[in-house]
Amino acid sequence: DVKVTQSSRYLVKRTGEKVFLECVQDMDHENMFWYRQDPGLGLRLIYFSYDVKMKEKGDIPEGYSVSREKKERFSLILESASTNQTSMYLCASISQGAYGYTFGSGTRLTVV
Amino acid sequence: QQPVQSPQAVILREGEDAVINCSSSKALYSVHWYRQKHGEAPVFLMILLKGGEQKGHEKISASFNEKKQQSSLYLTASQLSYSGTYFCGPRIFNDYKLSFGAGTTVTVRA
Repeated sequence: DVKVTQSSRYLVKRTGEKVFLECVQDMDHENMFWYRQDPGLGLRLIYFSYDVKMKEKGDIPEGYSVSREKKERFSLILESASTNQTSMYLCASISQGAYGYTFGSGTRLTVV
Repeated sequence: QQPVQSPQAVILREGEDAVINCSSSKALYSVHWYRQKHGEAPVFLMILLKGGEQKGHEKISASFNEKKQQSSLYLTASQLSYSGTYFCGPRIFNDYKLSFGAGTTVTVRA
């Protein structure tokens, strides 16, 4: 089975800190995505990448950046964490020609 | 732009049926459906392809009306295991990114 692993299940950070959320997939998928999930708002796309060193903004990129130096790893960076970035963050991947995303288990980030 | 899902929530007794609708403002290539159980990651249920082909593995069916840019998920003779939040994810041709709806929370009671 394809695995998408997110490094932390729960994370608590202080306002203004730089935060790194890591995502690793083990099936050589080209396409990787970062979403945030909030009650009543569903899953909203932050950034995505279709190849190494490639990145594109999603629907809500403000306050975030990403890095994809290796095909299997896609990192989400909060340059200066704020309380409104408290959320569940989900990473997903899919290969070319595949049908469905595989999601990671999520990182619940609390910014205090 | 997120698709619109309805209803927001539905409560069923075992054996009852429900329909979840998903509407998009854009022309679609396909529609994905996912289910997320509480505390877990969303899991892919099925894909509805343009032209009517359906691919999935659950005992849950769906339809895709390309002209109306709508999809519906049918939960028939619901089971307790159907409980969760269902998300639709319309896909535009040649673009792997999905914008998901806000979700429909389904609660099935014994």
